[in-house]
Amino acid sequence: NAGVTQTPKFRVLKTGQSMTLLCAQDMNHEYMYWYRQDPGMGLRLIHYSVGEGTTAKGEVPDGYNVSRLKKQNFLLGLESAAPSQTSVYFCASSGRETQYFGPGTRLLVL
Amino acid sequence: EDQVTQSPEALRLQEGESSSLNCSYTVSGLRGLFWYRQDPGKGPEFLFTLYSAGEEKEKERLKATLTKKESFLHITAPKPEDSATYLCAVQARGGADGLTFGKGTHLIIQP
Repeated sequence: NAGVTQTPKFRVLKTGQSMTLLCAQDMNHEYMYWYRQDPGMGLRLIHYSVGEGTTAKGEVPDGYNVSRLKKQNFLLGLESAAPSQTSVYFCASSGRETQYFGPGTRLLVL
Repeated sequence: EDQVTQSPEALRLQEGESSSLNCSYTVSGLRGLFWYRQDPGKGPEFLFTLYSAGEEKEKERLKATLTKKESFLHITAPKPEDSATYLCAVQARGGADGLTFGKGTHLIIQP
């Protein structure tokens, strides 16, 4: 039982490049979330999903897209990366209550 | 708009020196208040959920309490391995949407 896993662990992009971050959970949770964490700021919600095939915007959705084609996976896409998207990205999943977090993806956009 | 403010930003204690971390919050109907621990380079690790004023939960040297406006994380006789950043978050009632986090308290326990 791996919990929540994230791929990749670290990535460097050039401005304008695209990439997809993958989150997978093996707890059969309905809800999944993407957050970003920046120095001096709390974790901020980017997008979330309340079930397979559904997505919704969080607090800071601009510049990101998401998809939830399978219940266990939640993908976060950056179509045209910007330096302001340099951050640590965390995925979380939950059943009815507690959110469990993955180990994070560190993204550097040059 | 839901808000969470944690204090102090950083706290340095001697091993065995008990103290408390504060989390003040405003939320449009509290569904739950959550405490997480985060070690450098890792994801947040769940500690406690509190649902209503007066509720308390304990785990080893940690005890979390909740009032209508704030929560405290009490740490009793801490050890160096308790050093971490402690995060507080709230979830509004009716929300499948995410948690609103504070900026955290960076706790250092010196041997």
